Amino acid sequence: KAGVTQTPRYLIKTRGQQVTLSCSPISGHRSVSWYQQTPGQGLQFLFEYFSETQRNKGNFPGRFSGRQFSNSRSEMNVSTLELGDSALYLCASSPRTEGTGANVLTFGAGSRLTVL
Amino acid sequence: AQTVTQSQPEMSVQEAETVTLSCTYDTSESDYYLFWYKQPPSRQMILVIRQEAYKQQNATENRFSVNFQKAAKSFSLKISDSQLGDAAMYFCAYRFLYSGAGSYQLTFGKGTKLSVIP
Repeated sequence: KAGVTQTPRYLIKTRGQQVTLSCSPISGHRSVSWYQQTPGQGLQFLFEYFSETQRNKGNFPGRFSGRQFSNSRSEMNVSTLELGDSALYLCASSPRTEGTGANVLTFGAGSRLTVL
Repeated sequence: AQTVTQSQPEMSVQEAETVTLSCTYDTSESDYYLFWYKQPPSRQMILVIRQEAYKQQNATENRFSVNFQKAAKSFSLKISDSQLGDAAMYFCAYRFLYSGAGSYQLTFGKGTKLSVIP
């Protein structure tokens, strides 16, 4: 069973540009969550998508957005990049079976974004 | 708001010895999940162990076990017979038990970097 796939693994952008990151969840998983990881702030929740709907969003500016497609694949977009957006962006999927189980998150290997 | 605190930024252990990583959390909820995730240099976050707050019995997974003290809001991870492959960042995380239409977001601690000495 394939894991969570994130692309690209590494990318370099300059300030003011925008970036789109992609996440393909484990087959059958309907929920995709995104986290930002930085040395200073640690792991912070960005947003979660389930059934193509954003369920919750963390405390990030509107430059951070996302979407989910009918096949559960998700993309996140960061516009007008700032130096502080340099981070590892982790995607995680879960079955999100309502009312049952721990709905454990399975993470991808992340996309390392460097903003120059 | 829920918070998770890992007070040990770095720890080291001799190969084959036992080490305990500490985690405390703050929540007003009575039902929740707690997790330990491992992040090796490859960056892939891997679930080590999970604990349901309504279960009094401490979770165990092979060489990994937890000491869950609900009243003290403490959730420590014990690694027995440490191996070189255990070297990684370890993150403690919290999540609500019931989400309904809401989110399954995790709240993470800052992490503990574990080194294993041969």
